[in-house]
Amino acid sequence: DSGVTQTPKHLITATGQRVTLRCSPRSGDLSVYWYQQSLDQGLQFLIQYYNGEERAKGNILERFSAQQFPDLHSELNLSSLELGDSALYFCASSGAGGSTDTQYFGPGTRLTVL
Amino acid sequence: AQTVTQSQPEMSVQEAETVTLSCTYDTSESDYYLFWYKQPPSRQMILVIRQEAYKQQNATENRFSVNFQKAAKSFSLKISDSQLGDAAMYFCTSQGGSEKLVFGKGTKLTVNP
Repeated sequence: DSGVTQTPKHLITATGQRVTLRCSPRSGDLSVYWYQQSLDQGLQFLIQYYNGEERAKGNILERFSAQQFPDLHSELNLSSLELGDSALYFCASSGAGGSTDTQYFGPGTRLTVL
Repeated sequence: AQTVTQSQPEMSVQEAETVTLSCTYDTSESDYYLFWYKQPPSRQMILVIRQEAYKQQNATENRFSVNFQKAAKSFSLKISDSQLGDAAMYFCTSQGGSEKLVFGKGTKLTVNP
């Protein structure tokens, strides 16, 4: 158990809908990262937050947004969902969010868009 | 931009034997870290081992060790005394100044009893 929690574990929804994925980092970790794992694209970094502020952006679509709240939990919002958004979404956390920090992954949320 | 290449899509090993998974990377960062993560059928991403690029000594964690060749930009993972529970996808990753992990495409390891 990495100490990172993600809810829900599974999510099934329809095209055009909007969903919210939630992540709670390990106790004491200030940085949260979101990754998408799909069959055709592999594992891709989406976005990083550090202590409530966006720190780095990766291959995140404009239909997707994220935020980190004062209690350090984070939410990833996916809107206008398409079939291709079906994937496993991971959240990871690290301490100070620096380039030397090891990231610990949550169990993931499997999103299926029908 | 950082890139990570795992040239072995699949590998297999007999239980109790040793196997080496290959990884090459490219980065312009001077300060970076390399990791191997394991993803078993449960899909959980589990950290296996980490190597600081500034350290010449190869990292070791129990049955897992790495062969880090900085000049060649090579970072292979050796699993000794393979166990059935080692069966998983293994991802080589690098992390540098941009602070995001760049993943290879993974190597699927099968452990045969």
